[in-house]
Amino acid sequence: DGGITQSPKYLFRKEGQNVTLSCEQNLNHDAMYWYRQDPGQGLRLIYYSQIVNDFQKGDIAEGYSVSREKKESFPLTVTSAQKNPTAFYLCASSQHLNAEAFFGQGTRLTVV
Amino acid sequence: KNEVEQSPQNLTAQEGEFITINCSYSVGISALHWLQQHPGGGIVSLFMLSSGKKKHGRLIATINIQEKHSSLHITASHPRDSAVYICAVRSGDSNYQLIWGAGTKLIIKP
Repeated sequence: DGGITQSPKYLFRKEGQNVTLSCEQNLNHDAMYWYRQDPGQGLRLIYYSQIVNDFQKGDIAEGYSVSREKKESFPLTVTSAQKNPTAFYLCASSQHLNAEAFFGQGTRLTVV
Repeated sequence: KNEVEQSPQNLTAQEGEFITINCSYSVGISALHWLQQHPGGGIVSLFMLSSGKKKHGRLIATINIQEKHSSLHITASHPRDSAVYICAVRSGDSNYQLIWGAGTKLIIKP
C-alpha cells in the first residue's frame, strides 16, 4: 500500500545524544516535511524539502538537521543542541509544495 | 493572538448529536485544510477547500472567505469520530507554509 512510514513509533534517548527519526514514502511525492507537535499547540514546521538534494529551514530548525539523498527518504536528526527535544514528530509528503499533504503516524521522542 | 483559532478547544457530546467545530483565521489564504488526528497520533486529511462547501459522508466543511471563518460539521456523530480535529490554512503570501490551529479534541460518548 502507498503511504508514509515513520519509525520507530516510540523512541527514548539520553540527554546529549543525537537521534535520527526515519521517514519513508512510496507515493512518489517530491515534497517532504517534518513537523513538531507539542501539547496544546499547533504543528510547527522544522524543515521541508521541495525536491531531492534540497531542503529548507522551517520555523524551528535550530537543533535539528535533515538530509534528502533519495526521493523517498527524509530523515530528521535531533541533535544535542536542541534544548527541548521531547515531543511528537510528524513527517508529511505532498506531490509538490502547494498540494495536499499526507502524514505519517508520528514518532514520540522522549529524552531523559 | 494566533493566526488560526479553533473553538471549542474540547467538546464532549452524545452519540447521534450534530457536531460543529469552528476555525477563524486572520491572514489571507489560498486554501484551508481540515485534518483528523487519532489518539495514536497519525493525521488524516479530511478536506482542502478554498470556497463554498464540501461533503464527504457524514462530514461537511464550509468556508466563508469574507468572514475568514470555516466550520466542520459531523452529522449523526459516532464514538469512532472521537479524535482531535485540526484546522490549517495555507497562507496566500507563502503557498508552501501551513499555519496550524491548536486542534479541537472531540469525544463522542455512546
